[in-house]
Amino acid sequence: SQQGEEDPQALSIQEGENATMNCSYKTSINNLQWYRQNSGRGLVHLILIRSNEREKHSGRLRVTLDTSKKSSSLLITASRAADTASYFCATDSGSARQLTFGSGTQLTVLP
Amino acid sequence: GAGVSQSPSNKVTEKGKDVELRCDPISGHTALYWYRQSLGQGLEFLIYFQGNSAPDKSGLPSDRFSAERTGGSVSTLTIQRTQQEDSAVYLCASSLGERGPNYFGPGTRLTVT
Repeated sequence: SQQGEEDPQALSIQEGENATMNCSYKTSINNLQWYRQNSGRGLVHLILIRSNEREKHSGRLRVTLDTSKKSSSLLITASRAADTASYFCATDSGSARQLTFGSGTQLTVLP
Repeated sequence: GAGVSQSPSNKVTEKGKDVELRCDPISGHTALYWYRQSLGQGLEFLIYFQGNSAPDKSGLPSDRFSAERTGGSVSTLTIQRTQQEDSAVYLCASSLGERGPNYFGPGTRLTVT
């Protein structure tokens, strides 16, 4: 079963706008990670946030984590057409050695 | 340095045939994972190798699926008597340890006709 569920499933915005994607999960975690996937091939790791962290930044990316609500959000600021991709959250729950991925958000940034 | 590589990039096979998919992890990474992704879906965990420990096979969907990792490096995923529902992209990832980011290969797109 999937631990993380992303919301929305699809998001379409204009270049320059901000994009926000949300992830909810069910069990306690060690960390939560966000990945990007272009064209259905390999995933690229974007950012990792540990369970004792509340917010993390990396370039135009901002991730928040609310362990009380079992949710995380990924914000991409000043989006570009090249940001068009699928974005997945993945949880390291500690009870399993592998990451558990959500079903992803398909982001389309229109030029 | 070099990333995770997988071969072949695409494989078309007839139903009932066996296939072997190969993964070369990043040098020095002790953890290796196989995932499967069906069209428009998230990733489904298949199997996990960590060092010399026994692999975690809990995600393998049937006994037609097996994997091995030789010398703690290269891994091969074997699917016997392929079925059409096996069609998917098979992704391999490696990481330095159990809790770090996964570094993914480009995947093998398997099509069973």
